[in-house]
Amino acid sequence: GAVVSQHPSWVICKSGTSVKIECRSLDFQATTMFWYRQFPKKSLMLMATSNEGSKATYEQGVEKDKFLINHASLTLSTLTVTSAHPEDSSFYICSAKESGTGGPYEQYFGPGTRLTVT
Amino acid sequence: AQSVAQPEDQVNVAEGNPLTVKCTYSVSGNPYLFWYVQYPNRGLQFLLKYITGDNLVKGSYGFEAEFNKSQTSFHLKKPSALVSDSALYFCAVSVNTGGFKTIFGAGTRLFVKA
Repeated sequence: GAVVSQHPSWVICKSGTSVKIECRSLDFQATTMFWYRQFPKKSLMLMATSNEGSKATYEQGVEKDKFLINHASLTLSTLTVTSAHPEDSSFYICSAKESGTGGPYEQYFGPGTRLTVT
Repeated sequence: AQSVAQPEDQVNVAEGNPLTVKCTYSVSGNPYLFWYVQYPNRGLQFLLKYITGDNLVKGSYGFEAEFNKSQTSFHLKKPSALVSDSALYFCAVSVNTGGFKTIFGAGTRLFVKA
């Protein structure tokens, strides 16, 4: 149980275009999902907290107009990288917490999406 | 500021030997501590957590961790390492900022040699 999927697993796009990444909780409902960015040989950097039915909460330094997050249902959150540039190339990871677990409970992670902007 | 430190970029151990991956934390309030493992081309997997109660926490795949409040540490341990334990390990702390979010350490790569 507690499986999180991401689609696509990898994507190559041209500079200036937009890319949408989907994060789905397959066997549980997730009121809260998180989006991270992982740089090579670096830790996970939290980008934003995605709450179902409300606006996402972005971490300091993350451009909300560039990284659009939508959490329209209890099983799906999307991250859209708008007007992508080569510096946006990275590994994007989502995670989810089961609904009703508002405390410090463990998260379930997706396998990640490798974005390359040319 | 809330933070997690993993002082070792890499840990090398021979198969069958005990392993330790170190983690220290700095938080205000109660620490909620986690260990996650990341295998190549796979998502992070939850190993174990300390929320409250016994300082020695047992988790998946034979791993355990000991919460030490005085030393603000939460080291990950396993009595006998396997080659298949080779992976990237992350220590993390969950902090309440009007909703819990998780701060990750930099990660420690574990190599287990046969």
